Amino acid sequence: NAGVMQNPRHLVRRRGQEARLRCSPMKGHSHVYWYRQLPEEGLKFMVYLQKENIIDESGMPKERFSAEFPKEGPSILRIQQVVRGDSAAYFCASSPLPGPDTEAFFGQGTRLTVV
Amino acid sequence: SQQGEEDPQALSIQEGENATMNCSYKTSINNLQWYRQNSGRGLVHLILIRSNEREKHSGRLRVTLDTSKKSSSLLITASRAADTASYFCATDDTGTASKLTFGTGTRLQVTL
Repeated sequence: NAGVMQNPRHLVRRRGQEARLRCSPMKGHSHVYWYRQLPEEGLKFMVYLQKENIIDESGMPKERFSAEFPKEGPSILRIQQVVRGDSAAYFCASSPLPGPDTEAFFGQGTRLTVV
Repeated sequence: SQQGEEDPQALSIQEGENATMNCSYKTSINNLQWYRQNSGRGLVHLILIRSNEREKHSGRLRVTLDTSKKSSSLLITASRAADTASYFCATDDTGTASKLTFGTGTRLQVTL
């Protein structure tokens, strides 16, 4: 059973370009979470999605950022018109049906560098 | 200070010694989790302790939780060089793991 798969592992974009980060959850998991980690900091929650639904996007910047988790295929975190401040590691996690002892399993992350 | 703040920020010990890391948080929680992150890698879940539990063990790991003080500690006994990593506490106030709040982490260096 493969873990949470994120790709690409490293992504370099010039300012103004678009960045697309993909996340395939663990088999059997229908809940996906995206987190951002700035250098030397902890992870910050961005968005929680179920298949075809955004459940909680309270951590998403209001502009340029969007996320989806379609019925088929991976979850996508999309950043339009990237700026240097978007440089960070973006982690995806997945879980089965949420519950009091639910553990979220994290992927290896995508390291975005904006030049 | 922010929810889930670890102390110390960095810790350097020799192999065989014990390492203790502390985490303080601000709001009520359902559970608290500890994660390890090796440099440039993803997070590995170590242990989850519920709000109604006071202590939990897993191998060389011992976690305590004091909800009255809103604090937790992670003890790694008989440390090894392979334990070198950053350790994060994460609080879950929803009880569903859907929105974890991470601290800034403790960087542990274990030398031979």
